Amino acid sequence: KQEVTQIPAALSVPEGENLVLNCSFTDSAIYNLQWFRQDPGKGLTSLLLIQSSQREQTSGRLNASLDKSSGRSTLYIAASQPGDSATYLCAVRAAGNNRKLIWGLGTSLAVNP
Amino acid sequence: DAGVIQSPRHEVTEMGQEVTLRCKPISGHDYLFWYRQTMMRGLELLIYFNNNVPIDDSGMPEDRFSAKMPNASFSTLKIQPSEPRDSAVYFCASSPGTTVISPLHFGNGTRLTVT
Repeated sequence: KQEVTQIPAALSVPEGENLVLNCSFTDSAIYNLQWFRQDPGKGLTSLLLIQSSQREQTSGRLNASLDKSSGRSTLYIAASQPGDSATYLCAVRAAGNNRKLIWGLGTSLAVNP
Repeated sequence: DAGVIQSPRHEVTEMGQEVTLRCKPISGHDYLFWYRQTMMRGLELLIYFNNNVPIDDSGMPEDRFSAKMPNASFSTLKIQPSEPRDSAVYFCASSPGTTVISPLHFGNGTRLTVT
């Protein structure tokens, strides 16, 4: 059974720092992995999607990497800003069921001005 | 594009009452998903529809939960009777869904509190 773990559960950093959020999964048989952002009282917004054949994806100050063999992904945020404060969730799309995402519990990020 | 619209935003009800949550997906999206989010278990997929037809309801916790999609622009999730352990945020999401990389678009959720 696929399980997704995110560490740390919460993170507080000063503005301007570069930071890394971690996501690990137990079954390497995945189609893709996605990172989402959730603001308080809101739904989720997709940030980056990495296909199983890819190693990384970049969007602006965000870079997501995928090491499928070791069951790990990282989300790197460069030059963090207070507006980056949110909960970040990763989700894997398991092989064999195209529509189901298996979710981590998220990392709650606070960027302090 | 108004996005996925859910109502109500907040619902407080007493144990044993019927609760109906509503969702309007983005026009043209042919997949609709219902999720439940709690602190302990995170996001859980309850059920999803393709072209108004339920495809996988294996995540529905028990018979007290039911979902319908009578047309392409409307879906409901009903809990009858409700219990305190049903308290959670319920999200609806839709997707154009023709491939596995089709993005999910989430509504802002309904926060349900059952006392």
